[in-house]
Amino acid sequence: EVQLVESGGGLVQPGGSLRLSCAASGFTFSTYWMTWIRQAPGKGLEWVANINQDGSETYYVDSVKGRFTISRDNAKNSLFLQMNSLRAEDTAVYYCARDRLWIWDYWGQGTLVTVSS
Amino acid sequence: EIVLTQSPATLSLSPGERATLSCRASQSISSYLAWYQHKPGQAPRLLIYDASNRATGIPARFSGSGSGTDFTLTISSLEPEDFAVYYCQQRSNWHTFGGGTKLEIK
Repeated sequence: EVQLVESGGGLVQPGGSLRLSCAASGFTFSTYWMTWIRQAPGKGLEWVANINQDGSETYYVDSVKGRFTISRDNAKNSLFLQMNSLRAEDTAVYYCARDRLWIWDYWGQGTLVTVSS
Repeated sequence: EIVLTQSPATLSLSPGERATLSCRASQSISSYLAWYQHKPGQAPRLLIYDASNRATGIPARFSGSGSGTDFTLTISSLEPEDFAVYYCQQRSNWHTFGGGTKLEIK
């Protein structure tokens, strides 16, 4: 059974940093692209970033470029999102998802990030 | 950027009824459209990909149709667990989500 479990969310002040993790199981992690998607309170879904199988290709939504870094550790079946210079508008539930060429077929339950003073 | 417009924003129906949700693209996206179901506090779930293909484990009461700019998700007979928010998403040109349709119990 495919499982994705996010962790690392919490309350952080504007300008602060947070590192999200996603533990994957039930599939061969190293053979899939992976993605982070977020949902701000009362809003719809927004793709944030993705990464290819060996980590050599990464893509970001414009609003997080230069502030967020997606990475992975295939030996540990883990996906990460390093978030720096956080802003109030980054407040959201962050989901990791398995990526089949922009079809996100399995998602985690999400981790809440709140940016507030 | 391709804009996806979902309608209606809210759909109120009773269990057993048929639900028809619409997604319109601002330009042709061929059949590169997916549908997701999202319940509060849960992981979103892929229902349909490439307009009409059911994802693994999705019941047959869910079906998708359309191509080009107009797409439909149909739930043939609503079960209590089907009440949720539904999003469409295109992957023809980069990728975008629609704004969602909330399917609520009447």
